[in-house]
Amino acid sequence: KNEVEQSPQNLTAQEGEFITINCSYSVGISALHWLQQHPGGGIVSLFMLSSGKKKHGRLIATINIQEKHSSLHITASHPRDSAVYICAVRNQGAQKLVFGQGTRLTINP
Amino acid sequence: DTGVSQDPRHKITKRGQNVTFRCDPISEHNRLYWYRQTLGQGPEFLTYFQNEAQLEKSRLLSDRFSAERPKGSFSTLEIQRTEQGDSAMYLCASSFSGGTYYEQYFGPGTRLTVT
Repeated sequence: KNEVEQSPQNLTAQEGEFITINCSYSVGISALHWLQQHPGGGIVSLFMLSSGKKKHGRLIATINIQEKHSSLHITASHPRDSAVYICAVRNQGAQKLVFGQGTRLTINP
Repeated sequence: DTGVSQDPRHKITKRGQNVTFRCDPISEHNRLYWYRQTLGQGPEFLTYFQNEAQLEKSRLLSDRFSAERPKGSFSTLEIQRTEQGDSAMYLCASSFSGGTYYEQYFGPGTRLTVT
């Protein structure tokens, strides 16, 4: 069973700050996802990665397979970035996702 | 709207009643997943289908839970004799399958409250 741990669990920052959310997992994986969940429940996929780094707008996701660790960065944070960010992994040979507990991010104006 | 849809969005029921939720995946997606999310936690896997075949079930899916995908399109999740511990957000996701892994697209969820 893969254990997925995120840190911090809660993060409050001021608009404009650089944000980092971390994710660690215990067993080798095929892919790692970063997801965003707004109040009301809908989940949106931000990134799917298996190596290296991906960038989309102000969001950057990195993964270190050897260290079993991934980070999600948000540059020039904005109040609309306030949401729960969830890391999820797919184990090798499996289809289902195993999720972290989420990081609640609040960006104050 | 061509995304994943779920119905109803909210359901309040009394303990002991049966409830059924529906998920309509993206039309060309042949894989469909059900997850459950309790307050303050990340989602947990319940079950998944490839076409009409239910290929994996979590131990979380007790005898009171049953899921179907009769024609390989929409799916239903039924909970019999609901308990307060069943209160959660039930999320559906779909994906395409092929030689490589395709990401899952999530629906808006059905929030169940058992009183």
